[in-house]
Amino acid sequence: RKEVEQDPGPFNVPEGATVAFNCTYSNSASQSFFWYRQDCRKEPKLLMSVYSSGNEDGRFTAQLNRASQYMSLLIRDSKLSDSATYLCVVNMNDMRFGAGTRLTVKP
Amino acid sequence: DVKVTQSSRYLVKRTGEKVFLECVQDMDHENMFWYRQDPGLGLRLIYFSYDVKMKEKGDIPEGYSVSREKKERFSLILESASTNQTSMYLCASIPGQGWGGELFFGEGSRLTVL
Repeated sequence: RKEVEQDPGPFNVPEGATVAFNCTYSNSASQSFFWYRQDCRKEPKLLMSVYSSGNEDGRFTAQLNRASQYMSLLIRDSKLSDSATYLCVVNMNDMRFGAGTRLTVKP
Repeated sequence: DVKVTQSSRYLVKRTGEKVFLECVQDMDHENMFWYRQDPGLGLRLIYFSYDVKMKEKGDIPEGYSVSREKKERFSLILESASTNQTSMYLCASIPGQGWGGELFFGEGSRLTVL
């Protein structure tokens, strides 16, 4: 079993749609959680950290359920510029990445 | 501005060659990482280092070694390159002990082994 698993995708959605990404992790002692965004042929960049109480940044909402070892990212009112690969990252005394879920937002 | 620099963007090597991938960060970060990224597999951790001369194995250390002689520099070494090591290699760094902050990545080194 992989340490961090994500929806395989890809997701193809129209502009304005709401899209959700899910991620599970295997180590219950994991300490911190993140979502990264990676554009084609670019390095990953931090989108947002994920806090136990859930957190929001504009159109983006992150949730964490430690009991279920699950985290999610919700994008509302998706834009063409949201097209990218979204990676969940878990700190398990190192930084482990999910395989990523590719999102394409179409006009 | 934060900067992680990888020495080569593109390399082509032959099977059996020794390959050095260099990574330098200018942020005085304690922790540095080497990942490889392959389609459908995401980023897989090869090695990481939390201090000078310290190293820890990640998920896929076989066929690789690392060197951290100075805080700012973390090198990945392929002792005898093989075709299955053709990949994108990404170096990253993060400050401090809690690792609650952001991983900063270099632009990547795309290695092709013929």
